[in-house]
Amino acid sequence: NAGVTQTPKFRILKIGQSMTLQCTQDMNHNYMYWYRQDPGMGLKLIYYSVGAGITDKGEVPNGYNVSRSTTEDFPLRLELAAPSQTSVYFCASSYSTGTSGHEQFFGPGTRLTVL
Amino acid sequence: AQSVSQHNHHVILSEAASLELGCNYSYGGTVNLFWYVQYPGQHLQLLLKYFSGDPLVKGIKGFEAEFIKSKFSFNLRKPSVQWSDTAEYFCAVTPSINDYKLSFGAGTTVTVRA
Repeated sequence: NAGVTQTPKFRILKIGQSMTLQCTQDMNHNYMYWYRQDPGMGLKLIYYSVGAGITDKGEVPNGYNVSRSTTEDFPLRLELAAPSQTSVYFCASSYSTGTSGHEQFFGPGTRLTVL
Repeated sequence: AQSVSQHNHHVILSEAASLELGCNYSYGGTVNLFWYVQYPGQHLQLLLKYFSGDPLVKGIKGFEAEFIKSKFSFNLRKPSVQWSDTAEYFCAVTPSINDYKLSFGAGTTVTVRA
């Protein structure tokens, strides 16, 4: 049981390039999330998904796109990379136990630098 | 939308000292509350959570937190820290309804000196 996995771990992009950050979970969680973490800012929600085929914007969606074709995978796409997208990106997944609410499980992160 | 405030940006302690990290949230309804920890170079891990019941919650590694509803607070405590507690600590809140969207505080970096 690998939990939440992310690739790549590190990436340097040039301004205007595009890339996809991969996220996979093997816990059969319905809910998945993408966050970015900037120093002193905590984690900000970019996009989330409540199930396959369903995605919605979070707090900071501009410049990003997502898709959720399967329960396991939730890739994050950057179309035209900008220096403001330099950050650490975390993917997470969760399930609801009804009375016990959600607990989110996080991946190891992708450190992205845009130059 | 709810917001989460963590009062301390950086805390420096010696081993065996007591730790208390403040967390306040602004949301008028029922909430679920979490503390996550991020050790250097690692991903976020859940320390403890509060959904309902006893407002004093015990988590892993000797941490506990107390939910005080009247103060909108969920402070984290540990009586005696160790060097291995050096990490960044995040408070997070979600409304009990639509309880999957977490709002995180800015985080508190804790440095424990041996």
